[in-house]
Amino acid sequence: DTQLTQSPSSLSASVGDRVTITCRASQSISNYLNWYQQKPGKAPKLVIYAASSLQSGVPSRLSGSGSGTDFTLTISSLQPEDFATYYCQQSYTTPQTFGGGTKVEF
Amino acid sequence: EVQLVESGGGLVKPGGSLRLSCAASGFSFSSYSMNWVRQAPGKGLEWVSSISSSASSTSFIYYADSVKGRFTISRDNAENSLSLQMNSLRAEDTAVYYCARWEGRGSHYFFDYWGQGTLVTVSS
Repeated sequence: DTQLTQSPSSLSASVGDRVTITCRASQSISNYLNWYQQKPGKAPKLVIYAASSLQSGVPSRLSGSGSGTDFTLTISSLQPEDFATYYCQQSYTTPQTFGGGTKVEF
Repeated sequence: EVQLVESGGGLVKPGGSLRLSCAASGFSFSSYSMNWVRQAPGKGLEWVSSISSSASSTSFIYYADSVKGRFTISRDNAENSLSLQMNSLRAEDTAVYYCARWEGRGSHYFFDYWGQGTLVTVSS
């Protein structure tokens, strides 16, 4: 199975900060990498697919990059509604797998 | 509007069985592969099972190793319904179970819609 390692597991930030989350795959997955945002008690929400494509309705302050084994999710200017846990997920190999999550907190 | 509504969760004893359902609406259910994804309390996301759409060139059913031989996924396209039969339940199966649609754009696939989840608790 392809393992995904996210770092950091949690981070403290303030409104307006630039935030970067990293996801590293145990093997090359090209750009078959998606990002989800999850708020407490809610279902995950797709924010980025194919490593860098912004899902419809997601604000442009979120962006994704990377290919191969190293990927990043960046929030250019953190807003109150961005405080959440973010998960990466690969769809290159079966089973599709998730990273362990990164909690962005105040 | 796409909606996925899970039901069937609850408290069950170790070794017991439970059947989860997911009612889909607002899209052509038969055209999409569907999945179950779970999340243990305070933990991350874990994919559980997938079932192909009627439109897939090759039909498939996949399971995570952790549930293989114990869980069975099925779908009823006439009823727009997805199910997960869970047998021989263990404490480590305790989780919120989400139904999720598998969407593709080009060669890329992702979970684009999720239900609200249903909690399964396995405890004596």
